[in-house]
Amino acid sequence: KAGVTQTPRYLIKTRGQQVTLSCSPISGHRSVSWYQQTPGQGLQFLFEYFSETQRNKGNFPGRFSGRQFSNSRSEMNVSTLELGDSALYLCASSLADANNEQFFGPGTRLTVL
Amino acid sequence: EDKVVQSPLSLVVHEGDTVTLNCSYEVTNFRSLLWYKQEKKAPTFLFMLTSSGIEKKSGRLSSILDKKELFSILNITATQTGDSAVYLCAVEALRNSGNTPLVFGKGTRLSVIA
Repeated sequence: KAGVTQTPRYLIKTRGQQVTLSCSPISGHRSVSWYQQTPGQGLQFLFEYFSETQRNKGNFPGRFSGRQFSNSRSEMNVSTLELGDSALYLCASSLADANNEQFFGPGTRLTVL
Repeated sequence: EDKVVQSPLSLVVHEGDTVTLNCSYEVTNFRSLLWYKQEKKAPTFLFMLTSSGIEKKSGRLSSILDKKELFSILNITATQTGDSAVYLCAVEALRNSGNTPLVFGKGTRLSVIA
């Protein structure tokens, strides 16, 4: 069974731009969670989607948004990028919700210049 | 505010040593505590703990939860260089809205030298 895939693996953007990251969960998994990982703050929860609905949300500004499609694939979007948005963005999928074991993708490394 | 604190932040040991990593938490409506190992990119799941006093084991790794004192430990015996990684502790918290996001600690960086 293929694991969680994320695209692109690396991105370089400039301040003010926007970016869209993609995550394909493990086949059969319906829950997709997004995390931001930085050296200073560690792993922080962004949001979770289940059946195309945002079910959980962390403490991030509205510039961070996401969606989930009917095939469970998810995208997250960051608008008006700031230098502090440079981070590793990780996606994790699980069968039904965060109660189940979450499987992480390799992440997208975003650098904002 | 929910909080997960891991200690030590970093640790250097020699192969064959036994290490104990600590995770304490302050979380409203605790549901479970999870341990992950992160080597290069993606964290990989190690254990999920929901009940106090029940040790979970996987090879040389074991973990136990104390819900009264609000902490968990992760033990690694006979460490190997392949155990070098960042070990993350996360707690699942039930919020009023029914949300259950994971709250992560900042991790313990373990380096095992030959």
